[in-house]
Amino acid sequence: GAGVSQSPSNKVTEKGKDVELRCDPISGHTALYWYRQSLGQGLEFLIYFQGNSAPDKSGLPSDRFSAERTGGSVSTLTIQRTQQEDSAVYLCASSTGAAQYQPQHFGDGTRLSIL
Amino acid sequence: AQTVTQSQPEMSVQEAETVTLSCTYDTSESDYYLFWYKQPPSRQMILVIRQEAYKQQNATENRFSVNFQKAAKSFSLKISDSQLGDAAMYFCAYRSVYGNKLVFGAGTILRVKS
Repeated sequence: GAGVSQSPSNKVTEKGKDVELRCDPISGHTALYWYRQSLGQGLEFLIYFQGNSAPDKSGLPSDRFSAERTGGSVSTLTIQRTQQEDSAVYLCASSTGAAQYQPQHFGDGTRLSIL
Repeated sequence: AQTVTQSQPEMSVQEAETVTLSCTYDTSESDYYLFWYKQPPSRQMILVIRQEAYKQQNATENRFSVNFQKAAKSFSLKISDSQLGDAAMYFCAYRSVYGNKLVFGAGTILRVKS
């Protein structure tokens, strides 16, 4: 009965490096979301995957951000040439389907710190 | 674009007392969904309660209930018989029936005093 799993839990890296954040959704959940939570703020939508449909990338802040979802399960969020403003907690969520009333189940997030 | 406003950065409540957290939102849509999420220090967002806009009846989940005022675009959360474990950051969120994302407010930190 595992929930949404994210790794690593914490990541510290130098400015300019690339980072990869991983999300393993709840088994059977077809919808997957990435959000960013900056210090003391609410969550900001980044990207959404649903089944084999084209992802909704409308929330990605720049072309340094990309994400993929392989085999309809695990997702990886990649940030290239990291900047200090990328420091935040990155949260992944999944839900059973695309229906808007379906609640999103969140992981514990990855805290990313850019030095 | 829809926006969600939580006007109370911090609230305090005595254990066993009742507290109400405020949330207002702005939308031109008539049908949508509203959620309250709790985020303890562990960072995991936990769904507390949800409300469908087409339902007039206020949602309840044990000690948690909402006061949904559609005309006023208000969606407050009432926590009864507050417990120490209720201490957390609470987020109000909106989801359009046409959209893929949750729109979150800035959050309210709830402190519970023993």
